[in-house]
Amino acid sequence: GAVVSQHPSRVICKSGTSVKIECRSLDFQATTMFWYRQFPKQSLMLMATSNEGSKATYEQGVEKDKFLINHASLTLSTLTVTSAHPEDSSFYICSAPPFRLAGGSGLIEQFFGPGTRLTVL
Amino acid sequence: AQTVTQSQPEMSVQEAETVTLSCTYDTSENNYYLFWYKQPPSRQMILVIRQEAYKQQNATENRFSVNFQKAAKSFSLKISDSQLGDTAMYFCALARETSGSRLTFGEGTQLTVNP
Repeated sequence: GAVVSQHPSRVICKSGTSVKIECRSLDFQATTMFWYRQFPKQSLMLMATSNEGSKATYEQGVEKDKFLINHASLTLSTLTVTSAHPEDSSFYICSAPPFRLAGGSGLIEQFFGPGTRLTVL
Repeated sequence: AQTVTQSQPEMSVQEAETVTLSCTYDTSENNYYLFWYKQPPSRQMILVIRQEAYKQQNATENRFSVNFQKAAKSFSLKISDSQLGDTAMYFCALARETSGSRLTFGEGTQLTVNP
């Protein structure tokens, strides 16, 4: 199946610094990527939809100036947590659906990255 | 707006036995897709099974099968011959065709398979 990678897998940073997380689709192109946040023993919470070549769409309650998203190419989206604080510590997951060709199957599937554990001290 | 509800936060089953995880959903759309994802301790999300709403036949994937009741908006997952490796958090999810691939997840059910 399709592969999505994330880098780094773990990051520890000091409060007030910025952290960048990369999400790459390795063997397919993705015009859309999704960023989720997950707290321990909880479900995935959609933060934003990353759109290649245009601005990201943020979910209600998510600060777009704090969580900067850039989708610079068809295989790469980045999430930058700016001025991180301890409450930003969480598990961040990205996902991507393969670009659907015109006339293709209506089935929609996402492939998930392995996640990034962010700890802010 | 659509919602997905999993009413069983935790479940356990003995190895080799069968277990059913419940999921109900609500959507006003006619064309949608339902999924069960598994998240083991590694936290990698793994697709277990998927169902297109327009298909009446229940999806099956080896030991995994679903009971899709469209009128009741119910989508349960049955795991047969449970294995220790099935221990994981299981999430039910819904995607509307009109929203692209955007998924709405349930709260999750932690399944533990006991030896």
